[in-house]
Amino acid sequence: KQEVTQIPAALSVPEGENLVLNCSFTDSAIYNLQWFRQDPGKGLTSLLLIQSSQREQTSGRLNASLDKSSGRSTLYIAASQPGDSATYLCAGGAIKAAGNKLTFGGGTRVLVKP
Amino acid sequence: SQTIHQWPATLVQPVGSPLSLECTVEGTSNPNLYWYRQAAGRGLQLLFYSVGIGQISSEVPQNLSASRPQDRQFILSSKKLLLSDSGFYLCAWSDLGDRASTFGSGTRLTVV
Repeated sequence: KQEVTQIPAALSVPEGENLVLNCSFTDSAIYNLQWFRQDPGKGLTSLLLIQSSQREQTSGRLNASLDKSSGRSTLYIAASQPGDSATYLCAGGAIKAAGNKLTFGGGTRVLVKP
Repeated sequence: SQTIHQWPATLVQPVGSPLSLECTVEGTSNPNLYWYRQAAGRGLQLLFYSVGIGQISSEVPQNLSASRPQDRQFILSSKKLLLSDSGFYLCAWSDLGDRASTFGSGTRLTVV
């Protein structure tokens, strides 16, 4: 059974500092790994999807890496801004019966101080 | 482009009352559909998923049921709500291509 862990649970940084968010998973037979952003009381916004055959994905100031052998993924956010304050969730995808079932970590709540 | 709609946004229901939450997807055909729940102090948990009309798989034993009467419609139901059913319910879809999951805006359910 896949277990996904995100440490730390909360993080506070000054504006402009780079953010490093960690995600670890127990089952290396992962199909993909997806990073999401969740604002308070809102749904999830997909940030990056990394397929199991890939090692990283980039979008603007965001870069996510995937190391299946060590069971780790890292999300980097460069030059953080107050608007980056949110909870960030990682989720490991497993394909069964053609459905992409996601197992989520508990999230890292980020506060970027102006 | 594809869009996913969920309603209602918030709901307060008494214990023992029925529940029906609806989710629809536009701009795609034969999507995989999912219901997740985010309970207070707990992470997101997959409740049900569906790979086609009338095909429902349950991930955890619970007081809820799901149905897929049409290709792009997914419904979460209960005959009698429990206090423990309170939470934030999220619908999601993915296709058979890149497998990325896209989530709806969620329904916050409070059972009183």
